[in-house]
Amino acid sequence: DTEVTQTPKHLVMGMTNKKSLKCEQHMGHRAMYWYKQKAKKPPELMFVYSYEKLSINESVPSRFSPECPNSSLLNLHLHALQPEDSALYLCASRRDSTSSTDTQYFGPGTRLTVL
Amino acid sequence: GESVGLHLPTLSVQEGDNSIINCAYSNSASDYFIWYKQESGKGPQFIIDIRSNMDKRQGQRVTVLLNKTVKHLSLQIAATQPGDSAVYFCAENRRSGYSTLTFGKGTMLLVSP
Repeated sequence: DTEVTQTPKHLVMGMTNKKSLKCEQHMGHRAMYWYKQKAKKPPELMFVYSYEKLSINESVPSRFSPECPNSSLLNLHLHALQPEDSALYLCASRRDSTSSTDTQYFGPGTRLTVL
Repeated sequence: GESVGLHLPTLSVQEGDNSIINCAYSNSASDYFIWYKQESGKGPQFIIDIRSNMDKRQGQRVTVLLNKTVKHLSLQIAATQPGDSAVYFCAENRRSGYSTLTFGKGTMLLVSP
């Protein structure tokens, strides 16, 4: 099983709303990632969690707040977003963040639209 | 044929042809490479990977070639099918403390029946 699940599939929110994106994997992976992807562009790394600790924050604005409640779950809390934050948000996982040859698996993504 | 659009290079082939998608990577210290396929509205799907100590790796209908001398990666798809139509990304693993993937710009593959 190489499945990473994400909910919701689609999300529309206003600039004053607070919402959360959820990601789950049951592969026993200890590294989890959030990416942002704009249309016709490659995924851009936002955050890396390793063993439930935030390891990398790629200078992401504070209106995006990640959380890793346990080794299987990863959340992305959204607050006061801007229309330019509309994108496909992808979650990914990997067995270990320090191993260079582990495959990274992606979820299906959440299509976010900010009005 | 291959064309470079405003944002995404596109490769158009006929069903049954062999397709070759190319990727140039930038970091000579990268030690692991992955090809992903991304269909419209979906997340990237793992296709095949290769370690830097290899030159070639074959999967089912796909082959990845790695030329470290010129920092070039290619994905060959044999007997291309309409279901292969998607955007293909190469990704290199850069080892710097935590291993992270850096993605290429992507190539759109269009397969005509």
